[in-house]
Amino acid sequence: GAVVSQHPSWVICKSGTSVKIECRSLDFQATTMFWYRQFPKQSLMLMATSNEGSKATYEQGVEKDKFLINHASLTLSTLTVTSAHPEDSSFYICSVGAEGVLREETQYFGPGTRLLVL
Amino acid sequence: RKEVEQDPGPFNVPEGATVAFNCTYSNSASQSFFWYRQDCRKEPKLLMSVYSSGNEDGRFTAQLNRASQYISLLIRDSKLSDSATYLCVVPGSSNTGKLIFGQGTTLQVKP
Repeated sequence: GAVVSQHPSWVICKSGTSVKIECRSLDFQATTMFWYRQFPKQSLMLMATSNEGSKATYEQGVEKDKFLINHASLTLSTLTVTSAHPEDSSFYICSVGAEGVLREETQYFGPGTRLLVL
Repeated sequence: RKEVEQDPGPFNVPEGATVAFNCTYSNSASQSFFWYRQDCRKEPKLLMSVYSSGNEDGRFTAQLNRASQYISLLIRDSKLSDSATYLCVVPGSSNTGKLIFGQGTTLQVKP
């Protein structure tokens, strides 16, 4: 499967600061990447679909001005949590869509970024 | 009805036991299904894909019942290392590449 990296793996920041998370597809050119958020004891919730060279598509209830997504190349997508607050503390995971590599619509996930906002 | 529904468990079983998880889905048009495994504080990893009636990989067997819209995962001869959360996943509608995740079923295998 595709190899996906994320950076940083964890971050602690003060309330009001912005945090940028990088997602890289190391061995596969990804026109589509996905950003998820997972709170403790809950499942993954899709936040947005990141499209290379165009605007991201956000899920209902996700503020696009708060969670800025940039997908400037086929191997890099970034998620910036702007003016982070304690309720934004969560596990953020990106994934790469495997269409074109495999026939199924599966995804391969990065290792995740754990964000703690104090 | 939720798009993907699982019993969260936890399922506590002894080593060597056989355990089965069920998952129901609402979109009758779904053609492919996945089981992912997620360890504590880690990302999900693909365990099995299911396209037709089922799939088998070693100790793991996934079965699909389209009429009743459920998928099952059977683990035989449980190992301590099987302890994890198992996520039932179904592609979203409209060919968007999205995946819909179930809440996950937690398995704890005890010595």
